[in-house]
Amino acid sequence: SQELEQSPQSLIVQEGKNLTINCTSSKTLYGLYWYKQKYGEGLIFLMMLQKGGEEKSHEKITAKLDEKKQQSSLHITASQPSHAGIYLCGADPTGNQFYFGTGTSLTVIP
Amino acid sequence: DAGITQSPRHKVTETGTPVTLRCHQTENHRYMYWYRQDPGHGLRLIHYSYGVKDTDKGEVSDGYSVSRSKTEDFLLTLESATSSQTSVYFCAISDGTGKRPQHFGDGTRLSIL
Repeated sequence: SQELEQSPQSLIVQEGKNLTINCTSSKTLYGLYWYKQKYGEGLIFLMMLQKGGEEKSHEKITAKLDEKKQQSSLHITASQPSHAGIYLCGADPTGNQFYFGTGTSLTVIP
Repeated sequence: DAGITQSPRHKVTETGTPVTLRCHQTENHRYMYWYRQDPGHGLRLIHYSYGVKDTDKGEVSDGYSVSRSKTEDFLLTLESATSSQTSVYFCAISDGTGKRPQHFGDGTRLSIL
């Protein structure tokens, strides 16, 4: 079973375009984490959201947790080739185990 | 960067053979994890350890065993490898603050033919 569903599964964009990745849970999320994985490497922590409506930004990446705390979005403004990789959300929606989302593969074409 | 080393980084083997993957950390963290990564599934937890000789199963533990005889080493063993275990395997560590793994190794790409 997938506790965290991400959409889209893959994304190909032209450099300079904006894009959004979504992470959805059927349960309330008490702490939602976003990670980036460069191809052939491990995961790097990007940011964490805890409060409903909370929004955080790091360089050109903005993440938001909705008011119901069941969906988070990750938005990249003016994408660059350095943004390419796999983006994963992570959370502990059951209170028992930390789960990762299904992942979104991002390709940025120069 | 956190000191996590996975070995080997790549391995190709045949169905039915035993395979052992090693994760070595220099951070002295209490928790260690093994995940597998497959398209459409993200990372799924295989086994984790919360101390020397203390391990527990994750959501996809069938066909895998682990051992942790020292704080710094966590071994993942496939007793008789099957093609369905072809995947990229990641080790992760945590000092225990929160329930999430904090640092990840660079992965082992395992192909079972």
